[in-house]
Amino acid sequence: GAGVSQSPSNKVTEKGKDVELRCDPISGHTALYWYRQSLGQGLEFLIYFQGNSAPDKSGLPSDRFSAERTGGSVSTLTIQRTQQEDSAVYLCASSSSMEAYGYTFGSGTRLTVV
Amino acid sequence: QKEVEQNSGPLSVPEGAIASLNCTYSDRGSQSFFWYRQYSGKSPELIMSIYSNGDKEDGRFTAQLNKASQYVSLLIRDSQPSDSATYLCAVMRTSYGKLTFGQGTILTVHP
Repeated sequence: GAGVSQSPSNKVTEKGKDVELRCDPISGHTALYWYRQSLGQGLEFLIYFQGNSAPDKSGLPSDRFSAERTGGSVSTLTIQRTQQEDSAVYLCASSSSMEAYGYTFGSGTRLTVV
Repeated sequence: QKEVEQNSGPLSVPEGAIASLNCTYSDRGSQSFFWYRQYSGKSPELIMSIYSNGDKEDGRFTAQLNKASQYVSLLIRDSQPSDSATYLCAVMRTSYGKLTFGQGTILTVHP
């Protein structure tokens, strides 16, 4: 697609429920990243996929968080047993590994845990 | 020490003035440096990238990099109210990969 697409744009869930957030990167981009941004805060790295390499999961805050990327394209970030502190905007970005032009971000998913 | 540090501001400048935004980083092996602009409620958008020491100009924007001092800055000339946003400094260790972001500087340009 022309840009990075994320869905849903907003998600309200009850504490303890599982949620799945989806990211569809720019076609041809081999690298995909997940960040989250809490209110008034900077961007916190979560996980990074590069081609067929093992993902860099060093930013995942707990084992309740997981992500997969199928077919080198679409990625799903799953949060199990959501907690109120998980409330944030989850941003996905993609980039081409051939050029260091930074990322293109999607519009994000605003997650609210009540 | 944070990996990427920015003054959170807010930085307030009058319309037409030069806005100067600063960023320091701790990883001396960093190779790629970026400035993103984020309007309230929106996702970050890339406005400048710089990889070599010195200045890089693009329109009203100039990025400056000093690797010896581990310092990168962004100058916005002829500031406009539409430049009011949060400016995020980001650093990458290699030519591609994980970006580490600063907390951002809030810029307000008043008429």
